[in-house]
Amino acid sequence: NAGVTQTPKFQVLKTGQSMTLQCAQDMNHEYMSWYRQDPGMGLRLIHYSVGAGITDQGEVPNGYNVSRSTTEDFPLRLLSAAPSQTSVYFCASSYSIPGGTEAFFGQGTRLTVV
Amino acid sequence: GQQVMQIPQYQHVQEGEDFTTYCNSSTTLSNIQWYKQRPGGHPVFLIQLVKSGEVKKQKRLTFQFGEAKKNSSLHITATQTTDVGTYFCEGGGNEKLTFGTGTRLTIIP
Repeated sequence: NAGVTQTPKFQVLKTGQSMTLQCAQDMNHEYMSWYRQDPGMGLRLIHYSVGAGITDQGEVPNGYNVSRSTTEDFPLRLLSAAPSQTSVYFCASSYSIPGGTEAFFGQGTRLTVV
Repeated sequence: GQQVMQIPQYQHVQEGEDFTTYCNSSTTLSNIQWYKQRPGGHPVFLIQLVKSGEVKKQKRLTFQFGEAKKNSSLHITATQTTDVGTYFCEGGGNEKLTFGTGTRLTIIP
């Protein structure tokens, strides 16, 4: 099994550009979420989804959009990149929430906005 | 929503010394999960605690869940260089998967 696959691994954007970070999982997990990780800030939740067709905002959603048209895929869109969005982005999935189950993370995308 | 605070934020220890990180919640948790993130890597699941007062061990790592299910700790005995990384807790029972701020452990050889 591939687990959680994120692409690309690295990306440099110019201010104002848009792009989509891809996340796919092959474990038939209902729950998926996106985080950004900045130095000393831990993992901050951007958006999450409890199933296909359902998405909701986390603690830092501004500047990002998501959709969940299938169980497997949960892309994160940056609408107009800003230097403040320079960060490492992680996608995660787990079997179900609530209840607390093991979450699986992708390898991360290192994004630099210049 | 649930707030899980983690302390300390950073810990530097000499190799061979013990290390402990703590997670504290303002509300009762249904369970708690611990993760480790190596430098440059992604978080990896370590363990889940469910029962009040539960203690679990993984080699030199000991995990505890408080009697009131509001706090938890991870203790590493005789740290090694392979223990370097950031340790996160995650308080279960939310609709959202949210993590404590993490404790970054560095080892002085």
